[in-house]
Amino acid sequence: EPEVTQTPSHQVTQMGQEVILRCVPISNHLYFYWYRQILGQKVEFLVSFYNNEISEKSEIFDDQFSVERPDGSNFTLKIRSTKLEDSAMYFCASRNRGNEQFFGPGTRLTVL
Amino acid sequence: GNSVTQMEGPVTLSEEAFLTINCTYTATGYPSLFWYVQYPGEGLQLLLKATKADDKGSNKGFEATYRKETTSFHLEKGSVQVSDSAVYFCALILPYGGSQGNLIFGKGTKLSVKP
Repeated sequence: EPEVTQTPSHQVTQMGQEVILRCVPISNHLYFYWYRQILGQKVEFLVSFYNNEISEKSEIFDDQFSVERPDGSNFTLKIRSTKLEDSAMYFCASRNRGNEQFFGPGTRLTVL
Repeated sequence: GNSVTQMEGPVTLSEEAFLTINCTYTATGYPSLFWYVQYPGEGLQLLLKATKADDKGSNKGFEATYRKETTSFHLEKGSVQVSDSAVYFCALILPYGGSQGNLIFGKGTKLSVKP
């Protein structure tokens, strides 16, 4: 059964460093998403991506964040200069034309 | 604005007890409603969904009915098992045209089932 994959499973970085979180969505899906979950809190929407451009973003998704689908399979989230408060679990999700989103297992980002 | 409100946890039950986790929503139009489950150390998995009023979603013994009149989507299970211990998230998606389908989540309810 096809699934969304994410790498790495855990990323530790120093404050101010750039990180790139990677996702491989399900191959025939058209819509792609990033969400985050700060420890013990709710899952929050960051950004959606369709037709090679951002279709919607939340107020969390500021200039420090960017997304890219560089090669038609990977979908990446870049944080340019990480802050302590960026520590969270980051989930990638994808869907086709239906409304069911399929989530990856997440990347735990720890900013020291 | 659009939002989802879930009952506060944690919820602790004995095995075979009846489970209800309340969820209400505020949304423009008629959203699709979902319950996601997050087992310890894992990502989010879709548990069940309902896309229109009076629809009942069901899976693994869990059920939830889309109640437009009370804007609710309460999760129920008649007899919980230890393996049901997890965090449960209620979520909605606005109808197309309102957004690109991003999920709006509740805060999650942690369920612990004791043997």
